[in-house]
Amino acid sequence: SQKIEQNSEALNIQEGKTATLTCNYTNYSPAYLQWYRQDPGRGPVFLLLIRENEKEKRKERLKVTFDTTLKQSLFHITASQPADSATYLCAPDASGSARQLTFGSGTQLTVLP
Amino acid sequence: DGGITQSPKYLFRKEGQNVTLSCEQNLNHDAMYWYRQDPGQGLRLIYYSQIVNDFQKGDIAEGYSVSREKKESFPLTVTSAQKNPTAFYLCASSIVGTPNTEAFFGQGTRLTVV
Repeated sequence: SQKIEQNSEALNIQEGKTATLTCNYTNYSPAYLQWYRQDPGRGPVFLLLIRENEKEKRKERLKVTFDTTLKQSLFHITASQPADSATYLCAPDASGSARQLTFGSGTQLTVLP
Repeated sequence: DGGITQSPKYLFRKEGQNVTLSCEQNLNHDAMYWYRQDPGQGLRLIYYSQIVNDFQKGDIAEGYSVSREKKESFPLTVTSAQKNPTAFYLCASSIVGTPNTEAFFGQGTRLTVV
């Protein structure tokens, strides 16, 4: 069955450092992979989407990579700030539309001032 | 302004009772979804609908029912057959037919069985 693993349940880093979150998937080949941010008690918010033929995607301080050989995506936040503290969910998408999004359990990031 | 509205934010249910969670969107999206989120777990798909009067079961549909009588509305009923209904429920919507489409989520309903 399809499986998604995000590197750890919780990640603490110091303000100003780069946070790196990992998403590994098995038993399928997503055409796209999305990353979402979720704050406590709220719904997830879309951040970035990367296609299988894109190696890297950037948006402001965010960078996502997608390695279809390793079946892995890395999500980086550079110059991290306490306001970046949240849970980050990866969602590999096998069908090309959101109806097939399968979400990982997320990594809770805490940026310490 | 546009978005998805879930109500209520908190809901308490007695064992053996059915309860309905509301989800309304004004984004003119064709597709709507219901997810369940438990602590430490990802989102699990309950039901989804891509067009009015049609819907499909997701991974954990047992004990739940939905209807899609209007494009804007996709209510979820948690029936007494759902053995462990206490969870955070999220409704989402998206465009159909366009690749790379993101999902837009509501703010969630936290259901507690008392």
